[in-house]
Amino acid sequence: EAGVAQSPRYKIIEKRQSVAFWCNPISGHATLYWYQQILGQGPKLLIQFQNNGVVDDSQLPKDRFSAERLKGVDSTLKIQPAKLEDSAVYLCASSSGQFRNYGYTFGSGTRLTVV
Amino acid sequence: QKEVEQNSGPLSVPEGAIASLNCTYSDRGSQSFFWYRQYSGKSPELIMSIYSNGDKEDGRFTAQLNKASQYVSLLIRDSQPSDSATYLCAANQAGTALIFGKGTTLSVSS
Repeated sequence: EAGVAQSPRYKIIEKRQSVAFWCNPISGHATLYWYQQILGQGPKLLIQFQNNGVVDDSQLPKDRFSAERLKGVDSTLKIQPAKLEDSAVYLCASSSGQFRNYGYTFGSGTRLTVV
Repeated sequence: QKEVEQNSGPLSVPEGAIASLNCTYSDRGSQSFFWYRQYSGKSPELIMSIYSNGDKEDGRFTAQLNKASQYVSLLIRDSQPSDSATYLCAANQAGTALIFGKGTTLSVSS
């Protein structure tokens, strides 16, 4: 089966600009996650979707970050305006209803550099 | 605040030795535990999952869980240079997202 697709792979923007990331999960996976991984740290959850509904967005900085998952398939994560501290890898992951057995499958990530 | 704690390392072992990676978690309600391996510049990949107290073996890898002590470990037998990576421990309750530790960097020297 095809893996989790993410684009772009790399993005460099200036602070205060906006940026968007795209994710297409594994076909049939109902749950989609966006994580932020700052260099030297573990992934930190930003938002969890179940189909097209939000399950957990408690750690999403809502003043600048937004995410949507229209039609319960692919998803976009947006940052507007970006800050220097947003420099990180943004990982998308998906899981099926058999999450307990198989864990997550991560995409290749988008590396964001804010200058 | 639910947390997963790992020693950041680096943990250095010679080729052929056993590498022991440890993790503790704060949420007693955690039910599922995972070990991910992350090579530099790559995304995490799942190595093992464990849900019950005791040991679970898969090839050269053994995961150990002790819920009373809120402790999870990963043993890598016959360590190889290709095992050099950052190992992430993660935990969750059913239906919730994984909480990850900061990761332990393992270096296997030939």
